[in-house]
Amino acid sequence: QVQLQQSGTELVKPASSVKISCKASGYTFTSNYMHWIRQQPGNGLEWIGWIYPGNGNTKYNQKFDGKATLTADKSSSTAYMQLSSLTSEDSAVYFCAREGHTEALYFDYWGQGVMVTVSS
Amino acid sequence: DVQMTQSPSYLAASPGESVSISCKASKSINTYLAWYQEKPGKTNKLLIYSGSTLQSGTPSRFSGSGSGTDFTLTIRSLEPEDFAVYYCQQHNEYPLTFGSGTKLEIK
Repeated sequence: QVQLQQSGTELVKPASSVKISCKASGYTFTSNYMHWIRQQPGNGLEWIGWIYPGNGNTKYNQKFDGKATLTADKSSSTAYMQLSSLTSEDSAVYFCAREGHTEALYFDYWGQGVMVTVSS
Repeated sequence: DVQMTQSPSYLAASPGESVSISCKASKSINTYLAWYQEKPGKTNKLLIYSGSTLQSGTPSRFSGSGSGTDFTLTIRSLEPEDFAVYYCQQHNEYPLTFGSGTKLEIK
């Protein structure tokens, strides 16, 4: 069965960076786009961008350009998101989510989410 | 960006009742709307995509309708496991955007 297992809670300092992971299993990792989504406390969901693990291509929400960097490691079926120059505004839960079908742009499987807290 | 306005933000109902949740887009998104269910301790679940297509495994008491800018999620004969938070998401254009969520609670 398809599973997306994300890394654990992060407590990080302002101005630093953090890299969170999403390990995929139960399907061919290189065949589906992987998206990342943010949920700030009390707020709704925001789409950050996607990576296609098959070739490393990426697309970002303009709002997150320069903030988020998406990568993928085919050998371990793991997608990563690095967030840089962190501020308190970046405190949120971050989800990875698999795109249902190529160019479908909806998500059929989600990770459990990673809570990132930015605090000195 | 396409703004998605979801209503109500809170809904209380009893098991066995039927409820509807509305999602309005700020411009036409054709039929490209998905609905998700969020429950504590579980990963988000895709219920419906392309406005009205049930994802495999979604019970038939869930239905989606609408096109253009106005969409509705209807749950007939609520079961105890349906009490959750529901989000809509447009999958017509970038950036992908979500509604603010509807919390469905037991009355």
